[in-house]
Amino acid sequence: DTVLTQSPALAVSPGERVTISCRASESVSTGMHWYQQKPGQQPKLLIYGASNLESGVPARFSGSGSGTDFTLTIDPVEADDTATYFCQQSWNDYTFGAGTKLELK
Amino acid sequence: EVQLVESGGGLVQPGRSLKLSCVASGFTFNNYWMTWIRQAPGKGLEWVASITNTGGSTYYPDSVKGRFTISRDNAKSTLYLQMNSLRSEDTATYYCTRADIYGEYFDYWGQGVMVTVSS
Repeated sequence: DTVLTQSPALAVSPGERVTISCRASESVSTGMHWYQQKPGQQPKLLIYGASNLESGVPARFSGSGSGTDFTLTIDPVEADDTATYFCQQSWNDYTFGAGTKLELK
Repeated sequence: EVQLVESGGGLVQPGRSLKLSCVASGFTFNNYWMTWIRQAPGKGLEWVASITNTGGSTYYPDSVKGRFTISRDNAKSTLYLQMNSLRSEDTATYYCTRADIYGEYFDYWGQGVMVTVSS
């Protein structure tokens, strides 16, 4: 299985720039996608194909990377962005990272 | 508006069976792969099963292969998950999702249905 590793938690202040990383145990090319999940809700697609913004998602969100290292960037962060962010790869079946919980100071 | 509405969850004893359903609306169901994804309480997301748009091919991780069966009825725009030989580790919220046309990512998710496996 392709293992995706994310840092468990981050805390930032509103207005700051935050980067959330996801490292794959093997190359997944650009088959990496990002989701946001707020408490009690289903996940929501933010970024697909490593860097493509899903329709309706604010341009404050962006994605980058290829191969094994990927980044989700939120700039600037807003209070509503408090959530857990998951990466997901589609190169070798489907696996998800454990999630990064973003908290605002 | 795309909608995915799951049903069929509940409390079931270990070793028993349960069948989930997901009614889709707002898009041409038979054009899309569909996938079940689950999330154990307080945990991350785990892929459970996928089915091609025609239903001709299905895919599973080793954790459920041989126990779970995904199927679809395109005439009814409905996705199913038959779960047999349930274990405590199958306890989770199960989400019905629509995959993009290449089956790579999941652009719409249902609200989820809870399955609890316990004696």
